[in-house]
Amino acid sequence: QVQLLQSGPEVKKPGASVKVSCKASGYTFTGNYIHWVRQAPGQGLEWMGRINPNSGGTHYAQNFQGRVTMTRDTSISTAYMELSRLRSDDTAVYYCARDNELDSWGQGTLVTVSS
Amino acid sequence: SYELTQPPSVSVSPGQTASITCSGDKLGDKYTCWYQQKAGQSPVLVIYQDRKRPSGIPERFSGSNSGNTATLTISGTQAMDEADYYCQAWDSSYVVFGGGTKLTVL
Repeated sequence: QVQLLQSGPEVKKPGASVKVSCKASGYTFTGNYIHWVRQAPGQGLEWMGRINPNSGGTHYAQNFQGRVTMTRDTSISTAYMELSRLRSDDTAVYYCARDNELDSWGQGTLVTVSS
Repeated sequence: SYELTQPPSVSVSPGQTASITCSGDKLGDKYTCWYQQKAGQSPVLVIYQDRKRPSGIPERFSGSNSGNTATLTISGTQAMDEADYYCQAWDSSYVVFGGGTKLTVL
């Protein structure tokens, strides 16, 4: 079955960067987009962008342009999301999700930004 | 930028029908998805392409989309359906989520 396994929780200081991984299994990794979505505490879902694992092509939400980088390593079926210049309001659970309908989601990675 | 609007909360009695709306400009011209998120869990896709159910999603979940409004309908609502629900659509190459609706079953 499709599974997306994300890396563990992170604690970062303001101004630092964080890189979250998302390892896919149970399907052909290069066949479906991977999206990144975040959810601040008590808030709704916010789309950050997507990557085409086949070509490496990306599309980022305007709110994150210049701060987010999405990459992938097809040899290990893993997608990455790096967010730089972290602020306290970047504290959130970060999810990866598969395909145009976001039909499978990772378990989420809590990123805490605190001095 | 494109916006999707949902009511913050909806209440329903067990066994009754719950309807959650999602409004956006000419939303009926786009495909809409719906996600269920229970407390402390990752979202789960319950409706895609306006009205299709992924495998494993109960038949009591249905969807429609016309004009400016998409609707998620839960027939015979059960206590286990209590959750946050988010609509989602594509605006050009961007994914847009609604603000979410908290469904309370009481």
